Amino acid sequence: RKEVEQDPGPFNVPEGATVAFNCTYSNSASQSFFWYRQDCRKEPKLLMSVYSSGNEDGRFTAQLNRASQYISLLIRDSKLSDSATYLCVCDGGYNKLIFGAGTRLAVHP
Amino acid sequence: DAMVIQNPRYQVTQFGKPVTLSCSQTLNHNVMYWYQQKSSQAPKLLFHYYDKDFNNEADTPDNFQSRRPNTSFCFLDIRSPGLGDTAMYLCATGQTTGATEAFFGQGTRLTVV
Repeated sequence: RKEVEQDPGPFNVPEGATVAFNCTYSNSASQSFFWYRQDCRKEPKLLMSVYSSGNEDGRFTAQLNRASQYISLLIRDSKLSDSATYLCVCDGGYNKLIFGAGTRLAVHP
Repeated sequence: DAMVIQNPRYQVTQFGKPVTLSCSQTLNHNVMYWYQQKSSQAPKLLFHYYDKDFNNEADTPDNFQSRRPNTSFCFLDIRSPGLGDTAMYLCATGQTTGATEAFFGQGTRLTVV
């Protein structure tokens, strides 16, 4: 089983749509969780950290469910510029960060 | 201003010819990572340093080595590149306290021919 699993997509949505990505992780000892965004042929960039209580940053909301070892990212009012791959990241202990393979989002007019 | 700088951005090397990729950081972070990312795949951790302590992933080929001469610099050496080593190589840094997100350089796109 992969340490971090994501639905690869692609998710093709119209502008203005709400889209949700899910991620599961296998290491129950993981303490830190993040969502990164990666544009084609570019480096990953931090989108947001994920906290136990859930957190929101503008149109983006992240949730963590420790009992189910599940993380989600909700994007409201999708923009064309949101088209990218979204990577779920968990700490693997010993200062390691483990990435999921990413979920591709394509927002169309 | 770029905080994690990788050189070169693009590298073409011949099969079996050693190659070195470099990474420098201005963030004074304890941790430096090297990831390999192939097309449409997750970044795969090769190894990381916590200060001078080197941590090799169990499935990282022996062909891949690393050096960290000081806090700011880290190198990835591929002793005998194979065609399967064609990938983007990403260097990242992180702190060890609090939310330890990683800050990435722009990557080196390596092509082995």
